[in-house]
Amino acid sequence: SQQGEEDPQALSIQEGENATMNCSYKTSINNLQWYRQNSGRGLVHLILIRSNEREKHSGRLRVTLDTSKKSSSLLITASRAADTASYFCATDNYGGSQGNLIFGKGTKLSVKP
Amino acid sequence: GAGVSQSPSNKVTEKGKDVELRCDPISGHTALYWYRQSLGQGLEFLIYFQGNSAPDKSGLPSDRFSAERTGGSVSTLTIQRTQQEDSAVYLCASSRVGLVDSWGNQPQHFGDGTRLSIL
Repeated sequence: SQQGEEDPQALSIQEGENATMNCSYKTSINNLQWYRQNSGRGLVHLILIRSNEREKHSGRLRVTLDTSKKSSSLLITASRAADTASYFCATDNYGGSQGNLIFGKGTKLSVKP
Repeated sequence: GAGVSQSPSNKVTEKGKDVELRCDPISGHTALYWYRQSLGQGLEFLIYFQGNSAPDKSGLPSDRFSAERTGGSVSTLTIQRTQQEDSAVYLCASSRVGLVDSWGNQPQHFGDGTRLSIL
């Protein structure tokens, strides 16, 4: 079953603008990860934030985590056409015996030059 | 170093045929995962291998699906008597270790997938 739900489902912006994507989840977590998927390719890990962290930065990426609201956001600043991709949040299978991640359906980001 | 390699990249087959998908994880990665992604959807977890331990097969969608991992490295996912609803992209991922207690999952490294089309 889906754990994360990304919002919005699709986002179209101009190059240079900031893009914000949100993710909500249902159960407790140990960590939350964001991945990017270019069309026809596999997923690429972007950033991992632990449940005891509130904010994390990596280059133009900023991730926040609010465990009380069971939500996370991914901000891409000064977007580029190359950022065009689908973005997924994923949570760990908390309390489960399997090592899989649980993914949302993703936000499709389109950055127009 | 080399990433996760999957083959074939595309597979078109007739309904009722068996298919075998292959995954070569990153060298030294003990954990290997199979996911399925239908068009425009998120990833559906199928099965997880940790080292040489027997996997939990409860995530497989039907008994037509099976998976093996030989020598703790290469894995094959086999679908018998394929159905049209099996059409999807099958993604394999690996990580250095799998679930690590209270730290949760490690980042996973994905292959580009096998796009399976059942006619």
